[in-house]
Amino acid sequence: AQSVTQPDIHITVSEGASLELRCNYSYGATPYLFWYVQSPGQGLQLLLKYFSGDTLVQGIKGFEAEFKRSQSSFNLRKPSVHWSDAAEYFCAVVLSGGYNKLIFGAGTRLAVHP
Amino acid sequence: EAGVAQSPRYKIIEKRQSVAFWCNPISGHATLYWYQQILGQGPKLLIQFQNNGVVDDSQLPKDRFSAERLKGVDSTLKIQPAKLEDSAVYLCASSLQMNTEAFFGQGTRLTVV
Repeated sequence: AQSVTQPDIHITVSEGASLELRCNYSYGATPYLFWYVQSPGQGLQLLLKYFSGDTLVQGIKGFEAEFKRSQSSFNLRKPSVHWSDAAEYFCAVVLSGGYNKLIFGAGTRLAVHP
Repeated sequence: EAGVAQSPRYKIIEKRQSVAFWCNPISGHATLYWYQQILGQGPKLLIQFQNNGVVDDSQLPKDRFSAERLKGVDSTLKIQPAKLEDSAVYLCASSLQMNTEAFFGQGTRLTVV
């Protein structure tokens, strides 16, 4: 079955350190890929998206993500984390080719130490 | 541009009661989604509409949950009767088309006691 996996449930980093959040998908074709962020009590905000073309995509708030077809991955990165980045991050996939469902991973909760 | 509007923001009901949530998507968006997000989990797709037709409702508990999108704009999600395990945040989202990015509302936090 098609799925989205975020292997890290919880990650803690120090402010100013670099960040990488992992996302893997299980799907035969190239899906459309997204990263969303959710702050406490808020809805989900889109950080970035990948549809096709350049495999390194830039998003808002200094985030970027790289699509690697060979690894079925779409990892989110940020060179220097700010305390305000503490939130929950969700990877999402649109399964196309007759399904067109937007499904989410379980999320990674990011904590930032001062 | 106005975002996705949801109401109410919070709702507390007793088990076996009924409840309804309302969603107004972004103007012109053809696709509308309802998700259930249980605390500590990722959003689970309940139902997806394209205009006023259902694209997917495979994870909608149809014995108690129902949803409609009359005229392809606003949507309501109903639970009748509610169970304790329905306590969650219900998120509505919309997108221009099925393969474009989805925009989310603030959600409705439901507590069933």
